[in-house]
Amino acid sequence: GENVEQHPSTLSVQEGDSAVIKCTYSDSASNYFPWYKQELGKGPQLIIDIRSNVGEKKDQRIAVTLNKTAKHFSLHITETQPEDSAVYFCAASAIGGSARQLTFGSGTQLTVLP
Amino acid sequence: NAGVTQTPKFRILKIGQSMTLQCTQDMNHNYMYWYRQDPGMGLKLIYYSVGAGITDKGEVPNGYNVSRSTTEDFPLRLELAAPSQTSVYFCASSPPTDYEQYFGPGTRLTVT
Repeated sequence: GENVEQHPSTLSVQEGDSAVIKCTYSDSASNYFPWYKQELGKGPQLIIDIRSNVGEKKDQRIAVTLNKTAKHFSLHITETQPEDSAVYFCAASAIGGSARQLTFGSGTQLTVLP
Repeated sequence: NAGVTQTPKFRILKIGQSMTLQCTQDMNHNYMYWYRQDPGMGLKLIYYSVGAGITDKGEVPNGYNVSRSTTEDFPLRLELAAPSQTSVYFCASSPPTDYEQYFGPGTRLTVT
């Protein structure tokens, strides 16, 4: 089955700096890579996703890059703000499967220091 | 829409007791999922359903059972609770036209 590894487990940045979180996956059949943000006491919420037919996707201050050859993808947050502090999870899935199962990474606790 | 709702929010069980975690969604999503989240371990899929009457095992199904008699409801049953089932449980749903999963607020379960 799929295995997703995520680094780092914790990340502290100064407000206004950039943050980068990296994930690697093992199953070459995976072709859908979402990122979820989990605030304290809440369920995860999708912030951005990318499919294997593109190498980069941006949405305002967040972007995701994908390298299918190396089997890794990254989340980039620019101009970080205190409200970006949360746990971020990457995930991988093979679109076309009957259940659309997601395999999650272990999470990154991001702290944005004012 | 209320989205995905879960009850209870918190529960303490004694070893060997049983309980049902409730999950309801009002978005007419056909896909529904149950995850458990242990500290530092991410989310692990317990069971999933692709529609009413259809369920299947995920990565960590042992000690749990599910049913899906309606589109809206997807309860998770714990039989003979064990300390290893102490975790936060999340229910999620997904529409047929998108891959985004919508999560409920979670149930924090402690087994002592």
